[in-house]
Amino acid sequence: GAGVSQSPRYKVAKRGQDVALRCDPISGHVSLFWYQQALGQGPEFLTYFQNEAQLDKSGLPSDRFFAERPEGSVSTLKIQRTQQEDSAVYLCASSLGDGTQPQHFGDGTRLSIL
Amino acid sequence: TQLLEQSPQFLSIQEGENLTVYCNSSSVFSSLQWYRQEPGEGPVLLVTVVTGGEVKKLKRLTFQFGDARKDSSLHITAAQPGDTGLYLCAGARSSASKIIFGSGTRLSIRP
Repeated sequence: GAGVSQSPRYKVAKRGQDVALRCDPISGHVSLFWYQQALGQGPEFLTYFQNEAQLDKSGLPSDRFFAERPEGSVSTLKIQRTQQEDSAVYLCASSLGDGTQPQHFGDGTRLSIL
Repeated sequence: TQLLEQSPQFLSIQEGENLTVYCNSSSVFSSLQWYRQEPGEGPVLLVTVVTGGEVKKLKRLTFQFGDARKDSSLHITAAQPGDTGLYLCAGARSSASKIIFGSGTRLSIRP
């Protein structure tokens, strides 16, 4: 389809393991965003890319979180040495313009840390 | 501290009733977006309001942006079970390149 695609849909990992979450944005969308959503809450901003440049990473909770978008298209969010509090849904969104423009979201990756 | 406060947090009403949910802030926003999110899916944009006092209608949904661009409301007329979901407001500030989401209102419509 033509929407934002995220994989995997579900990920279960043991505490201390590293995980990598993938986002395929809508083709031609310049901006890409990662959000963390706790159960029953609104999405919390993590980081923002414009093409391959990471312009804002102020929302990343710790240096265990790392995101990249090397060719300005697909993005990967990596979490090292996972902890139980990292359990959440991780949403990716893309937009034609900057972050103030309407965003198109993927269905998220539900991460559970045991 | 939540920059955008949504109320009520939960709302369960009977099919056919009317309802209003609110999105409030002490900050001014250049625009405000409303999204609806269903379980297991990402948020889907419903509307963007830009001008203070602006009213937009989407079938049975009416969105209003406050005159001072600090708050917004969503009114649903004759609610239907298909309206069930998490309603999220998100504000954009002219000095920033991202939007800030509210905490959401979880709406349940009973048949």
